[in-house]
Amino acid sequence: QQQVKQSPQSLIVQKGGISIINCAYENTAFDYFPWYQQFPGKGPALLIAIRPDVSEKKEGRFTISFNKSAKQFSLHIMDSQPGDSATYFCAALLQGGSEKLVFGKGTKLTVNP
Amino acid sequence: DTGVSQDPRHKITKRGQNVTFRCDPISEHNRLYWYRQTLGQGPEFLTYFQNEAQLEKSRLLSDRFSAERPKGSFSTLEIQRTEQGDSAMYLCASQLQDYGYTFGSGTRLTVV
Repeated sequence: QQQVKQSPQSLIVQKGGISIINCAYENTAFDYFPWYQQFPGKGPALLIAIRPDVSEKKEGRFTISFNKSAKQFSLHIMDSQPGDSATYFCAALLQGGSEKLVFGKGTKLTVNP
Repeated sequence: DTGVSQDPRHKITKRGQNVTFRCDPISEHNRLYWYRQTLGQGPEFLTYFQNEAQLEKSRLLSDRFSAERPKGSFSTLEIQRTEQGDSAMYLCASQLQDYGYTFGSGTRLTVV
């Protein structure tokens, strides 16, 4: 049973375009939703995160939109650059216990110059 | 270096051999996690420590796997009698409670 579903599996955008990656979760007890960026041969790096009491969070070119009633959240990358080409993972965490992260399967983003 | 350090970066072993990986977390982080990542998948939780205590283990962690964190500092993950299905990237992460994780670059294990 996959608790966090991520789509699309891969995404190709042109430089300057907007990249949008979507995630849906099942467990309403999740209370922290981070996005991670992973380059080949590296571990995931925290990009941006949101808590369910906020509907949107923006950091530079990266924005998370959060829809609590639909149990969905998405990552928007504005003005996408070739250096953004990486695999992106959404995740969810249940705070107060082990705080383990449940990851989506990832989206491989390619930004063409 | 203030990041999470993992050693070795790559390990090739023959089926049936034992392997041990090491993780050095960020020094002030009290929580340490091990995750496993297979090709094309997101990381999956294996186990976690709060200081030196191992507080949770996933069902993915069979009896052949053991993890330790003596004195609440570095951690080791040992796999005994390796199988081809153990081939994966093993990621360590550390966390200061209530803050985000920092992952290491991982140890890539190949069992031949």
